[in-house]
Amino acid sequence: EIVLTQSPGTLSLSPGERATLSCRASQSVSGNHLAWYQKKPGQAPRLLMYGASRRATGFPDRFSGSGSGTDFTLTISRLEPEDFAVYYCQQYGSTPLTFGGGTKVEIK
Amino acid sequence: EVQLLESGGGLVQPGGSLRLSCAASGFTLRSYAMNWVRQAPGKGLEWVSAINGRGDKTYYADSVKGRFTISRDNSKNTLYLQMNSLRAEDTAVYFCAKEKESSGFFDSWGQGTLVTVSS
Repeated sequence: EIVLTQSPGTLSLSPGERATLSCRASQSVSGNHLAWYQKKPGQAPRLLMYGASRRATGFPDRFSGSGSGTDFTLTISRLEPEDFAVYYCQQYGSTPLTFGGGTKVEIK
Repeated sequence: EVQLLESGGGLVQPGGSLRLSCAASGFTLRSYAMNWVRQAPGKGLEWVSAINGRGDKTYYADSVKGRFTISRDNSKNTLYLQMNSLRAEDTAVYFCAKEKESSGFFDSWGQGTLVTVSS
């Protein structure tokens, strides 16, 4: 099973600042099959990124993904108020599918 | 518009059973693999189970293998999760999620249904 470790656990930032979220895998993620989701309290998760760097429909280009192998990064270039949420990475390169523990991006 | 609506959650005693349903609309259910993902209170997301479009291949997390059964009725546009021998640690919000082109990641999610296992 691939274990995904997200860091930091919490990121306290102000609107307009840059957010850098890390997702590290315990072994190489096949085909860079790494997705990111945004989750707000009481809401369904939303697909944000897949294939490590392909942005899903509905998310602006201030969101970007990068990385390969075992190290992946989600970057939000300038935080907007609606971006404050919890972000999860998920690998789908091998079964069982696994999620990281999440990074909470909170307003400083 | 894709819509997924879970139902069937509630309070159940340890050792009890519950069946969750997920009604799908806005797309052809039989064309897509479907999954259940859960989130325990204050915790992160955990993949639970998956089923292919025809319903003849199923997959489970080790934590639920032998206790949970995923199934689907494409004629009714509905996904199911039969949960038996429930434990306190199964307490969570259960989401159904549609896979994008049988890829293994999820492009649509329901709002979730809460399952509470407690005496």
